[in-house]
Amino acid sequence: DAGVIQSPRHEVTEMGQEVTLRCKPISGHNSLFWYRQTMMRGLELLIYFNNNVPIDDSGMPEDRFSAKMPNASFSTLKIQPSEPRDSAVYFCASSPNGQGDGYTFGSGTRLTVV
Amino acid sequence: KQEVTQIPAALSVPEGENLVLNCSFTDSAIYNLQWFRQDPGKGLTSLLLIQSSQREQTSGRLNASLDKSSGRSTLYIAASQPGDSATYLCAVISNAGKSTFGDGTTLTVKP
Repeated sequence: DAGVIQSPRHEVTEMGQEVTLRCKPISGHNSLFWYRQTMMRGLELLIYFNNNVPIDDSGMPEDRFSAKMPNASFSTLKIQPSEPRDSAVYFCASSPNGQGDGYTFGSGTRLTVV
Repeated sequence: KQEVTQIPAALSVPEGENLVLNCSFTDSAIYNLQWFRQDPGKGLTSLLLIQSSQREQTSGRLNASLDKSSGRSTLYIAASQPGDSATYLCAVISNAGKSTFGDGTTLTVKP
């Protein structure tokens, strides 16, 4: 198994541009999680899906952030328009079921908004 | 609201020492607890997962314990090596499936 795959690994964009981060969970995992990690706030859960349905998006910071999971093997996190304070490492994780029988994390996308 | 605290924030030990990392949480209604390792600039690697009904889990030189009633977990690392240097995070998963991470303990093992 290739694990959780995220792309791109690094993204540098200008303020105001749209950014799309991508994630492919482990095959057979029913739950997918998006996290953001910064020095100031540590690791924060943004949103999680169970069976492709968003269960809890209370961690999504603003309406500029949106996430979709059109099928069991793909999810996107979109920021539109991006701002410098969105600069962070964004991680995707998956687990066999929604109550977290162990999370497997991707390698993350390092986003820099200038 | 669940709060997870990891103390100390940083720890430096000489190679070969046994050490304990601490994780405390405020709400004991948890589903499980997971310990991760994060190397600089990398993602999180799962080390051990303890279900709420379990008291401990072991993997190689690592042993994690869980005491729900007191809201504590410890990660014991035996015979530490320079390659163990990393940040160690604990994550508490609630019965509702929501995770809360601690800020981590950054461990440095000196040769």
